[in-house]
Parts: sequence; structure tokens; C-alpha cells
Amino acid sequence: HSALTQPASVSGSPGQSITISCTGTSSDVGRYNYVSWFQQHPGKVPKLLIYDVTNRPSGVSNRFSGSKSGNTASLTISGLQAEDEADYYCSSYTSISTRVFGGGTKLTVL
Amino acid sequence: QVQLQESGPGLVKPSGTLSLTCTVSGGSVSSDNWWTWVRQPPGKGLEWIGEIHHGGSTNYSPSLKSRVTISVDKSKNQFSLNLNSVTAADTAVYYCAPSGMDFWGQGTLVTVSS
Repeated sequence: HSALTQPASVSGSPGQSITISCTGTSSDVGRYNYVSWFQQHPGKVPKLLIYDVTNRPSGVSNRFSGSKSGNTASLTISGLQAEDEADYYCSSYTSISTRVFGGGTKLTVL
Repeated sequence: QVQLQESGPGLVKPSGTLSLTCTVSGGSVSSDNWWTWVRQPPGKGLEWIGEIHHGGSTNYSPSLKSRVTISVDKSKNQFSLNLNSVTAADTAVYYCAPSGMDFWGQGTLVTVSS
């Protein structure tokens, strides 16, 4: 299972919405509803934003939402804020009972 | 509130074995959960290494499977990572977390260098 494919970078202005894609295969993203999204600020520990494609842990802003279509999962951030500037990673369960991460996406808030 | 703490040598020689331990506090490693190791080379992305259930079952990344062993010590409420035949490419921050990765240890930097 190769790493999931994410865009290297995305950007947006405060208040806008952005979407980060995460493309896998029919053996991971496409097969299971076990996609998670993480936010990581520089020098910090990753933080879980979304699990099981669409669910937000307690305490995570409802500006973050997840979805999936076929082999591609997506993270949407609405009402972009300066504090959202960070790296974002997706992860999926796989058909060989492992997990795989995406390469990461750097979000710049203009 | 369950907390995790990684510990182990910060420097390992090439061809040697990297050994780390994750101590679970505020909870039990024997809870019905899988426990995971993840690493992140400096300036790069996250890489899933493997996981263990308290019963001893394991799953490993195919790319690391030949060199990795994850074990659990219920008496010490810990789980451990061993990675052998290390090279500079194994230099990374190593994190432990439950399989759902809803919380993480602080991470520990391991450098492979002579």
C-alpha cells in the first residue's frame, strides 16, 4: 500500500473555504469508512480532526468536515482562520490490516 | 485521562537496534485497544510503523515488517518498539498512540549516527 496522495500545498484567504483531497485505492480509502484527518502545527504533536470519514472528536470545531467519494476522501475547512495554517494529513485503514498516511498538505492562510 | 510517554535512547549507531518504550498512565494497556507507533523524519510526513493488541497480535507496515517488532508488557503498562539494522533514513521523531490516534505521546527524536 503506497502512501495516499494529497496535494503538497493549498492556500486560502481568511473567511474562505478550502478542500484538501486524499486519494487512495479500492484497497484502502475506497473499501473502508476508516479515514482520519490530522492537523499538525510546526513542532507540535498531530491532532485528530476527523475520524471514520465524517466524525469530529469532541472539542474539534465544526468548521472542519470530512467526506468521501469512491477512492478519494476530502477535508473541508470553512471560515478559514489564521490559526488553521498548518500541515494536514489523511490516514486510512487498509485491506491488509494496516494503516497508511497521505504525504501531507501544507495549508497557507493568505 | 490517559497519557502516553515515549522513552529510549536519542542516538543509535548505524546497523544497530532502535528500542523505544511507550508508558501508558491514567489507563491500562490491557484495555480493549490496539496501540500504535508512528514516525516522522525531520521535515517530512507521518509514517505508520505498526500496532499491537494487548493480547499480543500485531500488524506491521509492509515496508518495515522485516525489521520491526512491537511488544507489550502488561505488568509495566507499557508497549515497545524495536527496529533493527537502522540507517540514517530511520532518523525521526517517534510517536506512540492508540490505534485511533485520538491522542498522542509527545514524541521522541531518535538520531541514527556514528
